[in-house]
Amino acid sequence: QKEVEQDPGPLSVPEGAIVSLNCTYSNSAFQYFMWYRQYSRKGPELLMYTYSSGNKEDGRFTAQVDKSSKYISLFIRDSQPSDSATYLCAMSGDTGRRALTFGSGTRLQVQP
Amino acid sequence: NAGVTQTPKFQVLKTGQSMTLQCAQDMNHNSMYWYRQDPGMGLRLIYYSASEGTTDKGEVPNGYNVSRLNKREFSLRLESAAPSQTSVYFCASMNTEAFFGQGTRLTVV
Repeated sequence: QKEVEQDPGPLSVPEGAIVSLNCTYSNSAFQYFMWYRQYSRKGPELLMYTYSSGNKEDGRFTAQVDKSSKYISLFIRDSQPSDSATYLCAMSGDTGRRALTFGSGTRLQVQP
Repeated sequence: NAGVTQTPKFQVLKTGQSMTLQCAQDMNHNSMYWYRQDPGMGLRLIYYSASEGTTDKGEVPNGYNVSRLNKREFSLRLESAAPSQTSVYFCASMNTEAFFGQGTRLTVV
């Protein structure tokens, strides 16, 4: 079993829809949680960063972390065709090397 | 402010050839990382460097070596390339969040 599980999709939604992306994890030492967006043939770019549990909002994006359930989510409101990309969740622990462990990514397509 | 810069962007190697992937960051981060990305596998850590002068193995280090030349630069070397090393390679530097380069697309034939 992988440390971080993420549904690969693809997920296809109409423009304007609310998108929900999720990851589950097994390592209770994870404290830092991130969402990256990756366009085709590009490097991942950081979207959201959360420390420990709770919610964080930035424009159309909301990240949620539920450490008790080992479950994180990214919500995209009023989705746009430009949101079409692969979304990767990533997380790391509080000590040691702090390298990120990634989910395999969810491919999202927003249809105009 | 360029962030993380990787060279080359594309490379084709024959089995058994060697090459070095270069990475430089201008964010004054202590930690730098090399990942590879394969379809359906996400990003897997090859090697990392927590600070200048230190390196350590990640999840998939076999067939690779690294050098942390100074605080800015972290290179990845393939001594004898194999087809299984065909992948997209990403360098990252990190403080609290990781920032990635644009990747090197490597094909080993």
